[in-house]
Amino acid sequence: AQKVTQAQTEISVVEKEDVTLDCVYETRDTTYYLFWYKQPPSGELVFLIRRNSFDEQNEISGRYSWNFQKSTSSFNFTITASQVVDSAVYFCALSEYSTGFQKLVFGTGTRLLVSP
Amino acid sequence: DGGITQSPKYLFRKEGQNVTLSCEQNLNHDAMYWYRQDPGQGLRLIYYSQIVNDFQKGDIAEGYSVSREKKESFPLTVTSAQKNPTAFYLCASSLIEATDTQYFGPGTRLTVL
Repeated sequence: AQKVTQAQTEISVVEKEDVTLDCVYETRDTTYYLFWYKQPPSGELVFLIRRNSFDEQNEISGRYSWNFQKSTSSFNFTITASQVVDSAVYFCALSEYSTGFQKLVFGTGTRLLVSP
Repeated sequence: DGGITQSPKYLFRKEGQNVTLSCEQNLNHDAMYWYRQDPGQGLRLIYYSQIVNDFQKGDIAEGYSVSREKKESFPLTVTSAQKNPTAFYLCASSLIEATDTQYFGPGTRLTVL
């Protein structure tokens, strides 16, 4: 069965520091998708990125960047120059084909605390 | 504004009572989902529906029930058979051709007193 591991339970940084959130996954599928979601204190999950398993190029979006390495089954997320508004729980997820639809398998999340 | 609404934001119930959580979407999505989130854990799938009048059990369906009478609505009932119902419940929806790209509502926090 698919599995997503986020070994970092909580990370604390000071504003303007760079921080990397780790995500390691297990899957037997040859085609799959990886995701990152942000959950601010309000509770709603905010979609950040969806990455196809065939596309190993790193992606950058403003202060956010993602490093996908198929060889190590990792999909790490880096925030550059962190800000207080980045404080949230971040979830990594993997798509899994299950009885006719692609369901999401979530990691346990990493809580990021950015202090001023 | 297109999106997903869940009500209420906070819900309290006494042990032994059934309670229904509301989820409405105006994104014209065919598929809808209910997840449960416990502290320090990821989201776990309770039920999902890919079309009106049809729904399937997820990983932790015991003690829950759903209905899908309208495309826009997918209410979740937490029954008295659910042994540990205190949790944060999230509803999501997606296009049927992209069920892994889900859009989430703001959630309902249920507390059993």
